[in-house]
Amino acid sequence: QSALTQPASVSGSPGQSITISCTGTSSDVGGYNYVSWYQHHPGKAPKLMIYDVSNRPSGVSNRFSGSKSGNTASLTISGLQAEDEADYYCSSYTSSSTHVFGTGTKVTVL
Amino acid sequence: EVQLVESGEGLVQPGGSLRLSCAASGFTFSSYAMHWVRQAPGKGLEYVSGISSNGGSTYYADSVKGRFTISRDSSKNTLYLQMGSLRAEDMAVYFCARGGCTSTNCYINYWGQGTLVTVSS
Repeated sequence: QSALTQPASVSGSPGQSITISCTGTSSDVGGYNYVSWYQHHPGKAPKLMIYDVSNRPSGVSNRFSGSKSGNTASLTISGLQAEDEADYYCSSYTSSSTHVFGTGTKVTVL
Repeated sequence: EVQLVESGEGLVQPGGSLRLSCAASGFTFSSYAMHWVRQAPGKGLEYVSGISSNGGSTYYADSVKGRFTISRDSSKNTLYLQMGSLRAEDMAVYFCARGGCTSTNCYINYWGQGTLVTVSS
């Protein structure tokens, strides 16, 4: 149950688009359409941003979108805003009937 | 409004035990799978354990299998995590979380604020 691989940090200027990748294996990301993404501000509860690869929960801005190709999932944030600065984690259901999280990506708005 | 409130925070010696609780409100507790996720200091999120809505299925990360036990009491709308043989690497903030459906394969859509477990002699 190795953690999914994410870049440690991604940055962008306000208004720009950024993409965070999440690479796993055929036993997790590649094997199921159960990839989700979470926004986490330290000291607070994580917030679900994307579920089942590309679905947005009610209340989440449409600036957030998700996709998947093979063993790699991606989260794109368009029209980057200062409030988007946070840690982001991907997660996938696995063949062990558990979930596995990504290593986490710190998003910085320049 | 969905609310998940963890309790049981504490300092425990290596090899010791501790039980965490999570009081749930604002939804029909017996209709959703529940999970525990942890975050060690300076580290990322790590999945710990999950339990189906009726408690019939439980799952554990390899790192805690055989040492931790997840359970739920629908009469009290409470989720538990019994932790034993604690190690230094178990020290973390433990989050209680609700799944999006009855089985544990669904995404996690609500989280508590977390409770700190410190393992130290």
